Amino acid sequence: QQQVKQSPQSLIVQKGGISIINCAYENTAFDYFPWYQQFPGKGPALLIAIRPDVSEKKEGRFTISFNKSAKQFSLHIMDSQPGDSATYFCAARPPDRQGGKLIFGQGTELSVKP
Amino acid sequence: KAGVTQTPRYLIKTRGQQVTLSCSPISGHRSVSWYQQTPGQGLQFLFEYFSETQRNKGNFPGRFSGRQFSNSRSEMNVSTLELGDSALYLCASSLGTGNTGELFFGEGSRLTVL
Repeated sequence: QQQVKQSPQSLIVQKGGISIINCAYENTAFDYFPWYQQFPGKGPALLIAIRPDVSEKKEGRFTISFNKSAKQFSLHIMDSQPGDSATYFCAARPPDRQGGKLIFGQGTELSVKP
Repeated sequence: KAGVTQTPRYLIKTRGQQVTLSCSPISGHRSVSWYQQTPGQGLQFLFEYFSETQRNKGNFPGRFSGRQFSNSRSEMNVSTLELGDSALYLCASSLGTGNTGELFFGEGSRLTVL
C-alpha cells in the first residue's frame, strides 16, 4: 500500500515531442504528489507538484494530470528539449503533513534526441 | 542562499567498517531527511530529524542511525558496513512546518563498500 509504481523505466523522445511518464499508487491517504528531476551527479530537484483536490497543474512546458478515482497521475513534458534529458521520479507523501518522508517511484530515464 | 551541503562527496570503505556522513541544511530549515539511492531499489527513505528529534523512520536495520544538532546540521552513521550498503546517500532539508512539502536535496555522498 505504500508503493508508487512508475512507468516507463526509460523513454526516448525526439526534440519537440511530448514526453509522458505515468505513476500509480494504492494508498488513498497520500496527500501530496511531487515530481523530481535528477541530472547525473546531482541530487533530485523539485519540478512540479500537485495535491489530490486538483486534477491538473501546469508550469511552463510541464503538466501534471491527476486522476483521483484511478489513483494515477502523470507528467507531460511538452516540446521536449535535449536539456530535459534526465531521470524523473514521481513521489507521494504519507499523511504526515509536516514530514520529510516521500515514497518514490522507480524513476524514468528520459533521453531527448536532437 | 546556500543549498544543502553534504560531506564527504565520495568515500570507499571495507566491509565491517563504519561510516559517518554529514549534512548541512539550508539556513532556516529545521528538518533534515536522509534517503538511500541505489539502481535496484531507487530512492528509499531512511529517517527524518526535526528539532534534534527523529520524527519519521524508514524500514532500515538498526545499523543505520542518525542525529541532528541544535544548528540543524545532521549526521548519519552506518555501522558494520555490508556490500549492499554501497549507494548514494542523499540528504534533504525542508522547513519542517506548514504544508509546503518541498524537499531540497544535496548532491549526495557516494559510498562504496569493498
